[in-house]
Amino acid sequence: QVQLQESGPGLVKPSETLSLTCSVSGASVSSGSHYWSWIRQPPGKGLEWIGYIYYSGSTNSNPSLKSRVTISVDTSKNQFSLKLSSVTAADTAVYYCATYIPQGGSFDYWGQGTLVTVSS
Amino acid sequence: QTVVTQEPSLTVSPGGTVTLTCASSTGAVTSGYYPNWFQQKPGQAPRPLIYSTSNIHSWTPARFSGSLLGGKAALTLSGVQPEDEAEYYCLLYYGGAWVFGGGTKLTVL
Repeated sequence: QVQLQESGPGLVKPSETLSLTCSVSGASVSSGSHYWSWIRQPPGKGLEWIGYIYYSGSTNSNPSLKSRVTISVDTSKNQFSLKLSSVTAADTAVYYCATYIPQGGSFDYWGQGTLVTVSS
Repeated sequence: QTVVTQEPSLTVSPGGTVTLTCASSTGAVTSGYYPNWFQQKPGQAPRPLIYSTSNIHSWTPARFSGSLLGGKAALTLSGVQPEDEAEYYCLLYYGGAWVFGGGTKLTVL
């Protein structure tokens, strides 16, 4: 059973960079069996796909966020990370990490999510 | 800007059947959009139900099924239970990018 846990600051100032980490257990980020993805949900609103990364470092991200998003993987710690630069209040959301299997297009396992508030 | 549209809200009686749909602003939804469906209850992470149009996860109750219907992706709940009251989101693939629908709030009444 794959388990994911998001961690990072709950409060970020406007114009700064949001940084989150997803710790993975029950699977290896370097196994090649999954891609590792980020999804967010503003309070009271719908879900938005942010992007994903393969252990090789290959990434893909939402065109609307692409210029501000960096997703990386740390195989030594079995973690992957999200950085979102130049944040504004519109980036306030619950951020989820999840697994993605491209063969079949399935987002199988999700973390519990972590709320990040952008405010001065 | 690609838009994925779902019914904002639906109401169903316990034991009844309801179909939620997912439409694309680009045209008919096909299997190549790999439709996914998720259930989300307040304060919880989304729970995957269906992937690639009609494939269920090992934890998905048998009363949930996915299909293509009239150019849209569809999620059908048969024999609805009170615990099925939730928000339901669809997700479509657009050649490298994924787009969520706005969600359907399902009320069981």
